[in-house]
Amino acid sequence: QVQLQESGPGLVEPSETLSLTCSVSGGSINNYYWSWIRQSPGKGLEWIGFIHFTGRTKYSPSLGSRVTISVDTSKNQFSLTLNSMTAADTAVYYCARVLCPSGSYYCSAFDYWGQGSLVTVSS
Amino acid sequence: QSALTQPPSASGSPGQSVTISCTGTSSDVGAYNYVSWYQQHPGKAPKLMIYEVSQRPSGVPDRFAGSKSGNTASLTVSGLQAEDEADYYCSSFAGSNDFVIFGGGTKLTVL
Repeated sequence: QVQLQESGPGLVEPSETLSLTCSVSGGSINNYYWSWIRQSPGKGLEWIGFIHFTGRTKYSPSLGSRVTISVDTSKNQFSLTLNSMTAADTAVYYCARVLCPSGSYYCSAFDYWGQGSLVTVSS
Repeated sequence: QSALTQPPSASGSPGQSVTISCTGTSSDVGAYNYVSWYQQHPGKAPKLMIYEVSQRPSGVPDRFAGSKSGNTASLTVSGLQAEDEADYYCSSFAGSNDFVIFGGGTKLTVL
C-alpha cells in the first residue's frame, strides 16, 4: 500500500520561503507523476503543480514563478518550494500521486494522498 | 480558469439516493472525459471516489456512480449511509495550461 507523508515547518513568516517534502513509502516514485495540492481553511482544493519522476514539471498559472517542485528518486521523495509567502498561502498542503491508468491521456486524478501538513503564515 | 460550480449542500435520508452536480465550461468538463470526485471527512485527506467521469477505484462501493452531460458532471450516491456524510469535491482536466481545477465542494448531510 502506497503511503505519502508530508514534512516541513508548520509556521512560516511573511515574505519567507516554504519548503515541504513528501516521502513515498510502499512503492517506487518511478513511473508516476506526483502533485502538491493545498486547501485553505474552510475552503476548497487548489492544485499547485506536478512533477514526473524524470523531473518534468508543470505549475499552476496562478502561482507562477513562486513555486518550484523537485524530485529525489534516490530518497523516494519530492519537494515543494513556495517563496514570498503571505497570509493568503496559509493552508493545509497535501502531496498526492497522479493516477494514470493504461490508455489514459490526460491523467489528472489523485489516488493516494498524504495526511496533509498545516502551514500558517504569520510573524 | 474559474473553479467548477457545485451546490454548497445536499442531503438525503438513509437508504435514499442523492445527486451532486458539478458545472464547468466547454473548456474543461465539457471538453474532456477526465472528471474526478473526492470524498473528504473532517480533518482527513480527500479520497478518490470516481475518475474519468464514471470509473471507480478499487474498494469504492458501487453505490457511488459518476456521469456527465455537456458541461455538467454528476455524482450519485445510492443507498445513503451515515458514513457517506462528508464534503465532496469534483475536479476536471482543464487543458495543458491549468491542468486540473476543482469545484468549491458540497457538504452532504445524511439526515
